[in-house]
Amino acid sequence: GIQVEQSPPDLILQEGANSTLRCNFSDSVNNLQWFHQNPWGQLINLFYIPSGTKQNGRLSATTVATERYSLLYISSSQTTDSGVYFCAVELVGSSNTGKLIFGQGTTLQVKP
Amino acid sequence: KAGVTQTPRYLIKTRGQQVTLSCSPISGHRSVSWYQQTPGQGLQFLFEYFSETQRNKGNFPGRFSGRQFSNSRSEMNVSTLELGDSALYLCASSPEGQGITTFGSGTRLTVV
Repeated sequence: GIQVEQSPPDLILQEGANSTLRCNFSDSVNNLQWFHQNPWGQLINLFYIPSGTKQNGRLSATTVATERYSLLYISSSQTTDSGVYFCAVELVGSSNTGKLIFGQGTTLQVKP
Repeated sequence: KAGVTQTPRYLIKTRGQQVTLSCSPISGHRSVSWYQQTPGQGLQFLFEYFSETQRNKGNFPGRFSGRQFSNSRSEMNVSTLELGDSALYLCASSPEGQGITTFGSGTRLTVV
């Protein structure tokens, strides 16, 4: 089946630093989303980005679908950015509609 | 508009019992999906419903079932609970099963 691999698995940053999280996927997808899971367990949608580049404040994301990877950039990190970041994809095909496959996540800790 | 609402937030059950979790999607969203999150297996897709029909099902035993009502609200049921069913159960909704997926805060189930 499809593999969704995220790197690095863990990341420790000093407040104010920048970081890049990567998501590699092994099959063609028509949906790719980035989520942030807060300490209370809620998954917050950061980007819906099956292709191209998007920016939202200090966060931006790029997906190169032809090369099967996506990058999440966090600039000027803050302690509130701490948590787990997940990449999730939906495979091409009507039988896969609504089924997100998640990577194992990147655990980010931002120190003051 | 209101987000995805899951009830209850926390639940403790005994092995062998059954449990029902509830999810109210964002108004207008017709697709509801369920995920199980455990430390060992990560986030795994359980099933997805659209207009009261199950369109997709993950690789879980038949003890896990769900349904969707005409108002798009959904329930999932786990029968004959096992210790390994202890997990965070997350519900998500999207307009048509594609596009941006919004998650609820989850139900944390503990089986003792």
